[in-house]
Amino acid sequence: EVQLLESGGGLVHPGGSLRLSCAASGFTSTYYAMGWVRQTPGKGLEWVSSISSSGDNTYYSDSVKGRFSISRDNSKNTMYMQMNSLRAEDTAVYYCARKLLGIGEDISPVFDYWGQGALVTVSS
Amino acid sequence: EIVLTQSPGTLSSSPGERATLSCRASQSISNRNLAWYQQKVGQAPRLLIYGASSRATGIPDRFSGSGSGTDFTLTISRLEPEDFAVYYCQRYGSSPVTFGQGTKVEIK
Repeated sequence: EVQLLESGGGLVHPGGSLRLSCAASGFTSTYYAMGWVRQTPGKGLEWVSSISSSGDNTYYSDSVKGRFSISRDNSKNTMYMQMNSLRAEDTAVYYCARKLLGIGEDISPVFDYWGQGALVTVSS
Repeated sequence: EIVLTQSPGTLSSSPGERATLSCRASQSISNRNLAWYQQKVGQAPRLLIYGASSRATGIPDRFSGSGSGTDFTLTISRLEPEDFAVYYCQRYGSSPVTFGQGTKVEIK
């Protein structure tokens, strides 16, 4: 059974940093590109970042470029999102997700499995 | 950036009825790179349809997608109790990915 489990969410002050992790199981993660999508009540679903299966290629939305950094450790079946210079508008539930194999592009994927989400709250 | 507009915002229907949800794009979507997701309260989105009309693994055949260009439709042929949820369309294949704002299907 495919499972994605996020961790690392929490409350952080504006300007602070946080690192999210996504542990994958039930599939060979080295075959799949992965990504992060966030959700807020006001803005809905927003793609944040994606990473190729090897980790060699990374992609970001304009809203987080230069502040967030995606990475993966395939030996640990884990993906990460380092979030720096956090702003109030980054407050959201962050989902990690697996790209549907063979469909779409890593830079603009469709996701076939999603984790349950990690809440990130940026507030003073 | 392609903007996706979903309608209606809320659809009130009864179990057994047919539901038709619309997703309209501000520009033509190439290769029918349009997906639909279902999201229930407190849960992550679930992929239903990709390529405008291909059902994802394990999705019942009461869910069907159609459309091309700028107009796409998700049809639920006969609503089951578990189908009452929020549905999102998503454009993929070229940057940036965009999502519609969602249609809530609620019990009448």
